[in-house]
Amino acid sequence: EAGVTQFPSHSVIEKGQTVTLRCDPISGHDNLYWYRRVMGKEIKFLLHFVKESKQDESGMPNNRFLAERTGGTYSTLKVQPAELEDSGVYFCASSQEAFRDLAKNIQYFGAGTRLSVL
Amino acid sequence: AQSVTQLGSHVSVSEGALVLLRCNYSSSVPPYLFWYVQYPNQGLQLLLKYTSAATLVKGINGFEAEFKKSETSFHLTKPSAHMSDAAEYFCAVSVDSTLTFGKGTMLLVSP
Repeated sequence: EAGVTQFPSHSVIEKGQTVTLRCDPISGHDNLYWYRRVMGKEIKFLLHFVKESKQDESGMPNNRFLAERTGGTYSTLKVQPAELEDSGVYFCASSQEAFRDLAKNIQYFGAGTRLSVL
Repeated sequence: AQSVTQLGSHVSVSEGALVLLRCNYSSSVPPYLFWYVQYPNQGLQLLLKYTSAATLVKGINGFEAEFKKSETSFHLTKPSAHMSDAAEYFCAVSVDSTLTFGKGTMLLVSP
């Protein structure tokens, strides 16, 4: 079974440009999460999809970030326009269980997209 | 709100020595606790998870962690380090469906 796939693995852009990150969750996982790790800091939650709906987007930094999950399958995270402080590693995770049984909620992570804004 | 503190951004051990990675958490409700490991160029992999069933949790690759409520700790241990254990380790807490992580500890293993 394929794991969580993210691409690109690395993106280098200039300040002011737009970048779109993509995440393909494990097949059948309704829950999809985005996290971000800025250099030297902890991994922080950005948002949570249940199927195509945004369950929790309390971690999104500002309105330059737009996440979508059309059809409840893959998700994209667009940063427009990118700023220097957006640099970091963006992780995607998916899980089968979420609110129904937290004890069974295991999040499986992708390898991340390293975003460098110059 | 919950938080996680991992003591030591880097821990160095010799091959065969005991591995001890420290994690303390803060939570207003009984938490679920996790340890994840990230090998170079790979995603985070779940090592083990505490869900209140047992205070001593055994994970993959010989790792285990003990939940101590009185100390609000969930330290990760392994009796004998292998070179292949060199990686970054993350402790995380969850009280809902999202994870709150510590800053991570890089484990360095020398021959």
